[in-house]
Amino acid sequence: DIQMTQSPSSLSASVGDRVTITCQASQDIRIFLNWYQQKPGKAPKLLIYDASTLEIGVPSRFTGSGSGTDFSFTISSLQPEDIGTYYCQQYDNLPRTFGQGTKVEVK
Amino acid sequence: VHLQESGPGLVKPSQTLSLTCSVSGGSIGDGGRYWNWIRQHPGKGLESIGYIYHSGTTYYNPSLKSRAHISVDTSKNQFSLKLSSVNIADTAMYFCARAWGTPGGVYDSWGQGIFVTVSS
Repeated sequence: DIQMTQSPSSLSASVGDRVTITCQASQDIRIFLNWYQQKPGKAPKLLIYDASTLEIGVPSRFTGSGSGTDFSFTISSLQPEDIGTYYCQQYDNLPRTFGQGTKVEVK
Repeated sequence: VHLQESGPGLVKPSQTLSLTCSVSGGSIGDGGRYWNWIRQHPGKGLESIGYIYHSGTTYYNPSLKSRAHISVDTSKNQFSLKLSSVNIADTAMYFCARAWGTPGGVYDSWGQGIFVTVSS
């Protein structure tokens, strides 16, 4: 299985801050990398697919980049409603695998 | 599209966990869409269980050691999961989800989830 390693595991930032999460794959996954947001007690929500394509309806403050084994996810200006846990997920190989998650809190 | 999981919230060890996902606002027969089960252990990350295509093609995560079986009923617009010989480690939130991609790697619609406890 492809291992997905996210960093950091948690972070706390102020409203308006720029926040960046990284995700590293254990082998080349080209651009087959998605990002999800999960709020407490809810299902994950797709934010970005194919490493950098914004899902319809997702605010433009969310961006993704990268290819191969190294990826990043950025919230350009953190908002109070952005609290939750963010997961990366690869779909270059089966089984699909997720990172362990990054919990984002607002100070 | 809306997905809704249903099934018992409590299953005894060694028994079979059975869940159904009802799909509305879209057809399971839609081409290019894969119908998935994903679980999340309490306080942990996400684990893909497997998927089914409307043709009946399935894939299962080898980590489930052949205990999982996913089926589809296109007439009811539902798909189901059976997980046999459950143990305490199968206690988790179970989500059904629709996916697209090659094959089915982008989970774009999810059910709300159903928590299943394995306990005697």
